[in-house]
Amino acid sequence: NAGVTQTPKFQVLKTGQSMTLQCAQDMNHNSMYWYRQDPGMGLRLIYYSASEGTTDKGEVPNGYNVSRLNKREFSLRLESAAPSQTSVYFCASSAAVETQYFGPGTRLLVL
Amino acid sequence: GDSVTQMEGPVTLSEEAFLTINCTYTATGYPSLFWYVQYPGEGLQLLLKATKADDKGSNKGFEATYRKETTSFHLEKGSVQVSDSAVYFCALISGGSNYKLTFGKGTLLTVNP
Repeated sequence: NAGVTQTPKFQVLKTGQSMTLQCAQDMNHNSMYWYRQDPGMGLRLIYYSASEGTTDKGEVPNGYNVSRLNKREFSLRLESAAPSQTSVYFCASSAAVETQYFGPGTRLLVL
Repeated sequence: GDSVTQMEGPVTLSEEAFLTINCTYTATGYPSLFWYVQYPGEGLQLLLKATKADDKGSNKGFEATYRKETTSFHLEKGSVQVSDSAVYFCALISGGSNYKLTFGKGTLLTVNP
């Protein structure tokens, strides 16, 4: 039982490049989330998916797109990376309300 | 909208000292309250939670009581250890949030031997 897994662990991009962050969970959870963590800002919700087939914007969605590929997988795409998107990205999942389980994070540096 | 305010860090303590990290909140309805912990280089882990007023959440020697009258959920531990060094996040889910967590900014705790 791996919980929530994320790939890659670390990525360096140049401004304007695109990439997709992958997330998968094996806990049969309905809901999945993408957050970014920046110093002094805590975690901010980018997008979430309350159930398979649905996605909704969070607090900071601009510059990102998401795909809920199936119940297990929820990917985050940066179409044209900007230095302001340098951050640590966390995926999480939950069953109904309350406890969210977090992945280990992806550190992204945009030059 | 929902918000969480927690004490600014960093907090530096000696081993076996008493810990308090303050957390207050603003939310619609009756939120569920959480403390998450993030150890260096890792993702967040749920430390404890409380779902209604006067509930006390506890885990690993940490405690927090849901105080509706003061809209607070302060984290306490009687005797910290070096291994407790981490970033602590207070968070809430309110009734109308569709399960979205609102986090405080985090408090870095360093415990010295």
